[in-house]
Amino acid sequence: KQEVTQIPAALSVPEGENLVLNCSFTDSAIYNLQWFRQDPGKGLTSLLLIQSSQREQTSGRLNASLDKSSGRSTLYIAASQPGDSATYLCAAGGATNKLIFGTGTLLAVQP
Amino acid sequence: DTGVSQNPRHKITKRGQNVTFRCDPISEHNRLYWYRQTLGQGPEFLTYFQNEAQLEKSRLLSDRFSAERPKGSFSTLEIQRTEQGDSAMYLCASSTGTDWTEAFFGQGTRLTVV
Repeated sequence: KQEVTQIPAALSVPEGENLVLNCSFTDSAIYNLQWFRQDPGKGLTSLLLIQSSQREQTSGRLNASLDKSSGRSTLYIAASQPGDSATYLCAAGGATNKLIFGTGTLLAVQP
Repeated sequence: DTGVSQNPRHKITKRGQNVTFRCDPISEHNRLYWYRQTLGQGPEFLTYFQNEAQLEKSRLLSDRFSAERPKGSFSTLEIQRTEQGDSAMYLCASSTGTDWTEAFFGQGTRLTVV
């Protein structure tokens, strides 16, 4: 059974810092790894999708990496801004694209 | 197309009442998923449709829950005889029919059972 863990559970940084969010999964037989952003009381916004055959994906200030052999993914946010404050969720995609989520990292970027 | 749409956005109901939520996926997406998210937790998978066929249901989906996608387009999730433990955010997602594509989520329906 796939289990996804995210560390840290919460993170507070000053504006402008670079930061890394961590995600680990127990079953390496994944089809993809997806990172989402969730604002309070809202739905999920897809940030990056990494296929199982890929090592990383980049979008603007975001870079996500995937290491299937070690069961780990990281989300790197460069030059953080107060608008980046949200909960970040990673999800491992299995057959039929069913997603198994971690519990998220609550990020606060202080102006 | 403006993405995945869910209605209503919020629902408050008394314990024991039935509620129904609707999800309209992105039009060309033939896969549709329902998830449930409680406070401080990540979303948990409930059920999955490929076109109109419901192909997988989680053990979380008790007999009081039923989901349909009658014409392979919109979907409904009904909860009968609601309990306080049903209070959660119900999220709908859709994707194309391959195993490695991006899932897009709606804004969710927040259910509060009083």
